[in-house]
Amino acid sequence: KQEVTQIPAALSVPEGENLVLNCSFTDSAIYNLQWFRQDPGKGLTSLLLIQSSQREQTSGRLNASLDKSSGRSTLYIAASQPGDSATYLCAADNAGNMLTFGGGTRLMVKP
Amino acid sequence: GAGVSQSPSNKVTEKGKDVELRCDPISGHTALYWYRQSLGQGLEFLIYFQGNSAPDKSGLPSDRFSAERTGGSVSTLTIQRTQQEDSAVYLCASSPGRDNYGYTFGSGTRLTVV
Repeated sequence: KQEVTQIPAALSVPEGENLVLNCSFTDSAIYNLQWFRQDPGKGLTSLLLIQSSQREQTSGRLNASLDKSSGRSTLYIAASQPGDSATYLCAADNAGNMLTFGGGTRLMVKP
Repeated sequence: GAGVSQSPSNKVTEKGKDVELRCDPISGHTALYWYRQSLGQGLEFLIYFQGNSAPDKSGLPSDRFSAERTGGSVSTLTIQRTQQEDSAVYLCASSPGRDNYGYTFGSGTRLTVV
């Protein structure tokens, strides 16, 4: 059974800092790994999807990497802004029919 | 539509009543999923529909929960005889199918059982 863990659970940084969010998974036989953002009281917004054959994906100030052999993914946020404050979730897709989510990292970027 | 649409966005119901939650997936997406997010908990898989195949109901927490998908499009999640522990945000997602294109989530229905 896939288990996904995210560290840290919460993070507070001053505006402008670069930061890394970590995600680890126990079963490396994944189809893909997806990073989501969730604002309070809202649904999930997809940020980046990394296919199992890929090593990383980039979108603007976001870069996500995937290392299947070690069961790890990282989300790098460059030059953080207060608007980046949200909960970030990673999810592993093992069989194309169900995502297993981590517990999330609650990020606060202070002006 | 342009995104996954869920209704209602908020629902308050009395304990013991039945509720229906609706999900309208992205047009053309063959796969549809229901997840639940309880306060302070992670996202919990409930049920998965793929095309005309029998749904994967392995995540439904009890027989009070059921879901159907009509015409391969709109889905309804029904909770019978609601309990306070059913209070949560119910999220629906759709994807193009098994071909690895990721999931698009709706904004969710916040259910409160009083």
